[in-house]
Amino acid sequence: GEDVEQSLFLSVREGDSSVINCTYTDSSSTYLYWYKQEPGAGLQLLTYIFSNMDMKQDQRLTVLLNKKDKHLSLRIADTQTGDSAIYFCAESPGGQNFVFGPGTRLSVLP
Amino acid sequence: GAVVSQHPSWVICKSGTSVKIECRSLDFQATTMFWYRQFPKQSLMLMATSNEGSKATYEQGVEKDKFLINHASLTLSTLTVTSAHPEDSSFYICSARELRTSGSRGNEQFFGPGTRLTVL
Repeated sequence: GEDVEQSLFLSVREGDSSVINCTYTDSSSTYLYWYKQEPGAGLQLLTYIFSNMDMKQDQRLTVLLNKKDKHLSLRIADTQTGDSAIYFCAESPGGQNFVFGPGTRLSVLP
Repeated sequence: GAVVSQHPSWVICKSGTSVKIECRSLDFQATTMFWYRQFPKQSLMLMATSNEGSKATYEQGVEKDKFLINHASLTLSTLTVTSAHPEDSSFYICSARELRTSGSRGNEQFFGPGTRLTVL
């Protein structure tokens, strides 16, 4: 079945880079997504990558995709305290509903 | 960008009562809306997929008679939690899919801010 896995916690110091990893199972996902959720709030789309791409960069965010290993990562450069949140990786099998990972809670230490 | 609203943002109700949550796409038409449930410190779990003008498709384990979904128009879907009990307390999030015929993002989903339901 469809399954998305992520590490649950990550702590980094302000100014360092953060790397959040994700593995997924469904190879039919045309797009893979990263969402951010701040406490008590809904989901905010951060970025997405088309499945035939290896990398996508968007300002401080870099997404790397290894389709062979079904591994996706999100790198946040120069991490700030405002980046503290839960980050969800999501696949969209067949372009229909989303399957979310458990979320990685990023804590940014001063 | 596309905006999805939910109302109410927080509701507290007594056990046994019914609660209706609205999900609206404000500046686009959504042929499909999705309802998710999120327990504290957990991920989102899809409850049902709602297509305008037809019956919702529920995920396995979700009681359709307890979670009534109505998608009466291209901009509004409602989720009614009937005879709510404390175990129904959760964060309910809807998303709406804007059908695109072209562009780089495919059929992107836009998420509402969520509704926190507390059943006493």
